[in-house]
Amino acid sequence: AQSVTQLGSHVSVSEGALVLLRCNYSSSVPPYLFWYVQYPNQGLQLLLKYTSAATLVKGINGFEAEFKKSETSFHLTKPSAHMSDAAEYFCAVSLSGSARQLTFGSGTQLTVLP
Amino acid sequence: NAGVTQTPKFRVLKTGQSMTLLCAQDMNHEYMYWYRQDPGMGLRLIHYSVGEGTTAKGEVPDGYNVSRLKKQNFLLGLESAAPSQTSVYFCASTGQGAGANVLTFGAGSRLTVL
Repeated sequence: AQSVTQLGSHVSVSEGALVLLRCNYSSSVPPYLFWYVQYPNQGLQLLLKYTSAATLVKGINGFEAEFKKSETSFHLTKPSAHMSDAAEYFCAVSLSGSARQLTFGSGTQLTVLP
Repeated sequence: NAGVTQTPKFRVLKTGQSMTLLCAQDMNHEYMYWYRQDPGMGLRLIHYSVGEGTTAKGEVPDGYNVSRLKKQNFLLGLESAAPSQTSVYFCASTGQGAGANVLTFGAGSRLTVL
């Protein structure tokens, strides 16, 4: 079985501040992990994915995430927030790597304050 | 460069009415998916298809039917709409090989059932 928990349904940061969005997973084996972003009135798009090649994964728009097996976490970070980063972010997990077995977290709405 | 296109974008139904959502992709992807997105619940898989002429149930299939008569199209039907089906519906697709676990989403269809 697999599940994913995103801590904090809403996160606010000031422009230029560190962005940290938390994701913890539960699975019996190391899973495939993904972060997707949803801008207002759009579909989701892939930010980055972990597929066991490297624990630190770099994605688009300056985001990165680190897979920590001991903490069962895959937190998303960005050193300096931009106004354009305001969106909803979803963490997702798949044991097999198959998209049809993907479980999404409940999402974190990121607000960037000027 | 259309990607995944969903129609209609918005629809209001009365309880008991029927409707069909259309999803079209131009990337020659084998796999297609229908999700629903509800506040605080992330995305949940309704039905999916692994190829033309095939469909399978996802996590929340009750009250929905699907068809994949052509590779590029995936239809989601509601035979008798209920208020609990008020949601935002997303279609997605995946290809094969290295990109097989990365979903490409449409912009969504917002359905309200009164």
